[in-house]
Amino acid sequence: ILNVEQSPQSLHVQEGDSTNFTCSFPSSNFYALHWYRWETAKSPEALFVMTLNGDEKKKGRISATLNTKEGYSYLYIKGSQPEDSATYLCAFKDDYKLSFGAGTTVTVRA
Amino acid sequence: DGGITQSPKYLFRKEGQNVTLSCEQNLNHDAMYWYRQDPGQGLRLIYYSQIVNDFQKGDIAEGYSVSREKKESFPLTVTSAQKNPTAFYLCASSISWIAPNEQYFGPGTRLTVT
Repeated sequence: ILNVEQSPQSLHVQEGDSTNFTCSFPSSNFYALHWYRWETAKSPEALFVMTLNGDEKKKGRISATLNTKEGYSYLYIKGSQPEDSATYLCAFKDDYKLSFGAGTTVTVRA
Repeated sequence: DGGITQSPKYLFRKEGQNVTLSCEQNLNHDAMYWYRQDPGQGLRLIYYSQIVNDFQKGDIAEGYSVSREKKESFPLTVTSAQKNPTAFYLCASSISWIAPNEQYFGPGTRLTVT
């Protein structure tokens, strides 16, 4: 089982503040890096699928960067809102399967 | 509405009984997956299917079985051989196994075995 690490495990953010967190993954045999948002009582939902070193993706106030050579990706949330409260999962794809990290749980305080 | 359905949401079984979890998708996806989630851990792959009538073991297949007789359906059976079956089970699908497509997830089934 591949080692995909996410840090921190959880964080609390004041509404309006920006935040970011990390996903680290093996730097060899890279195929893609996925980010998912998982809100309580809902299904995980894809945010980004990133395939190229240096990729940057953006969706509203959420963006992500990718460094495949050193094996990390950052997810940024700008101007956090209560609806951003969720667990954010990253997943590393090699030529076999997706391997998921344990997630970063974000709680946005109003 | 296209999506993935899993039933039931909660399932309770006695130790020693087999139990089957349902997963249906109407997204016309070729690939389907079963994951297990335990507290503090990432999703772990139990079984996957690249195409109908085909399936492969994932990282933690022992004590589980699947079938893929129809494109839309990928049921998971938790057998009595699974040593620690109490967990949250998620089914997912994607357009294909090979391409780096996003996966679409169902709402999950929480299985409790006592």
